[in-house]
Amino acid sequence: QQQVKQSPQSLIVQKGGIPIINCAYENTAFDYFPWYQQFPGKGPALLIAIRPDVSEKKEGRFTISFNKSAKQFSLHIMDSQPGDSATYFCAAKDSGGSNYKLTFGKGTLLTVNP
Amino acid sequence: EPEVTQTPSHQVTQMGQEVILRCVPISNHLYFYWYRQILGQKVEFLVSFYNNEISEKSEIFDDQFSVERPDGSNFTLKIRSTKLEDSAMYFCASSGPNRGQGAKETQYFGPGTRLLVL
Repeated sequence: QQQVKQSPQSLIVQKGGIPIINCAYENTAFDYFPWYQQFPGKGPALLIAIRPDVSEKKEGRFTISFNKSAKQFSLHIMDSQPGDSATYFCAAKDSGGSNYKLTFGKGTLLTVNP
Repeated sequence: EPEVTQTPSHQVTQMGQEVILRCVPISNHLYFYWYRQILGQKVEFLVSFYNNEISEKSEIFDDQFSVERPDGSNFTLKIRSTKLEDSAMYFCASSGPNRGQGAKETQYFGPGTRLLVL
């Protein structure tokens, strides 16, 4: 029940395309959903985050769509660029207690071709 | 911009040896974490630390692991007797001061220490 399921495992798009990465969860106690971007050999970097009381959040070219009833959320990258090529992880935090640990999805390797 | 730093960037050790991985969290952060990532797999939570004690640990964080905040700036992960399966990238993360839920939730990750156990 603590799992976050992420798909697809890998994704290839052309420059300017709109890759969409999907995540699903079971634990209704999750209350914070960040997306992280990771380049090879680097640590995950926070990209954008959303809470379940909001259905959509945009920051620059990155948009999270959130469907609370379906327990799903997705990342859209508008006008994708080769520099967006990285691994993207969705994550979730449980609302219980004072701990803020994150549960990560398995990641999506995105390749944006020039 | 403040960042989490980790040393060493790479560590090679023999099975059974002790290793200490070091982290300097962002200076005004109060919540500290260790995660690990086995090559090609997802990032996994190991332990969280607040107010000088462990607040939660995962099943991976057994008696071979320990964490410490020896002074006001460093946060360390010790593995007492390394095993082959401990080979992974270890990430330290920290999150905010007690200035609202958002600050506490937003975790910033360091660049990681790649540990190879032979």
